[in-house]
Amino acid sequence: DSGVTQTPKHLITATGQRVTLRCSPRSGDLSVYWYQQSLDQGLQFLIQYYNGEERAKGNILERFSAQQFPDLHSELNLSSLELGDSALYFCASSRGQGPDTQYFGPGTRLTVL
Amino acid sequence: SQQGEEDPQALSIQEGENATMNCSYKTSINNLQWYRQNSGRGLVHLILIRSNEREKHSGRLRVTLDTSKKSSSLLITASRAADTASYFCATYSYNTDKLIFGTGTRLQVFP
Repeated sequence: DSGVTQTPKHLITATGQRVTLRCSPRSGDLSVYWYQQSLDQGLQFLIQYYNGEERAKGNILERFSAQQFPDLHSELNLSSLELGDSALYFCASSRGQGPDTQYFGPGTRLTVL
Repeated sequence: SQQGEEDPQALSIQEGENATMNCSYKTSINNLQWYRQNSGRGLVHLILIRSNEREKHSGRLRVTLDTSKKSSSLLITASRAADTASYFCATYSYNTDKLIFGTGTRLQVFP
């Protein structure tokens, strides 16, 4: 158990809908990262927050947004969902900002029908 | 885009044998990390090697790093069925300030 929690575990929804994925980092970790893992794209970095502020951005679509709250939990919002958004979404956390070990949550499996 | 490419894509061995996975990357890095993922589960950090280190050990794991060849290898000795998983290398560079994952090697260890 990494200490990172993600909810929900599974999500099935229809195209055009909006969903919110939630992540709670390990106690004491200030950075939260979001990743998308799909069969054709592999593990793609989406975005990082550090202590409430956006710190780094990866291949995140404009339809996706995230935030980190004062209690350090984070939410990833996915809107206008498309079939291709079906994937595993992982949250990870680390103590600091940069090159630290990242601790991954169990993931949320999103299926868009 | 992916920085690291693992080789082989898939590897099948018998319990007790050693497994070697290789990772090649394109740009200079500050550290390289190896992660393990059981099917459909979250990634688990295995080992981190810094750019000024050449070799690191952790239990049955041995990692080497050759920055001149931009490559790393992960050796798992005396493999067990429980080692069956996908293994990913991930590179970190202060320039990109991101951890970028490779494509992974699927390891199957038969009892």
